[in-house]
Amino acid sequence: DTEVTQTPKHLVMGMTNKKSLKCEQHMGHRAMYWYKQKAKKPPELMFVYSYEKLSINESVPSRFSPECPNSSLLNLHLHALQPEDSALYLCASSQVTGYSNQPQHFGDGTRLSIL
Amino acid sequence: GENVEQHPSTLSVQEGDSAVIKCTYSDSASNYFPWYKQELGKGPQLIIDIRSNVGEKKDQRIAVTLNKTAKHFSLHITETQPEDSAVYFCAASKGSGGYQKVTFGIGTKLQVIP
Repeated sequence: DTEVTQTPKHLVMGMTNKKSLKCEQHMGHRAMYWYKQKAKKPPELMFVYSYEKLSINESVPSRFSPECPNSSLLNLHLHALQPEDSALYLCASSQVTGYSNQPQHFGDGTRLSIL
Repeated sequence: GENVEQHPSTLSVQEGDSAVIKCTYSDSASNYFPWYKQELGKGPQLIIDIRSNVGEKKDQRIAVTLNKTAKHFSLHITETQPEDSAVYFCAASKGSGGYQKVTFGIGTKLQVIP
């Protein structure tokens, strides 16, 4: 079992739908990340939040809208997605220590299919 | 930006043999190198990591070595078991304890044949 919980595990949606992915961690980590992973590829960074503020947006299309309502929760709001957005969406979190990098802990992802 | 190259892309070994996966990085400022194992239907799980002030680290059957001068690092798995079958990613990042931008290698699919 991972310490980063993602829901739902699977999601099928049409191109006109609006849905949200949720990520939760209770490890006290203050950095949280969204990644997109296509089949047989490494994870690609989408967004980074540090202390609930958006720190990195890797030029992600506006149909993906992240939100960090508190230090334990990270959401990814989806609207008007395209078929090429079908992928595994991974959330991760890490400690912020101020002196040395710490490992990122990943959830098991949400498998998203766009019809 | 950082570029991480990983090879081989696939690796088949007999159970009980050793497996070695090699990675190189381009940014000399990178100072943290985690390795992740991803099983089918799961997210990546950290298996071992190494920092730039250390040359080697071992955890039971898994070891990682780092050569800063040559900018390469390797994962060694000894006495492989069928449950070691998975995709392994090396990664590199730099910084001093804040959020990280991690660059992953392309992954190595390891198959351990019983």
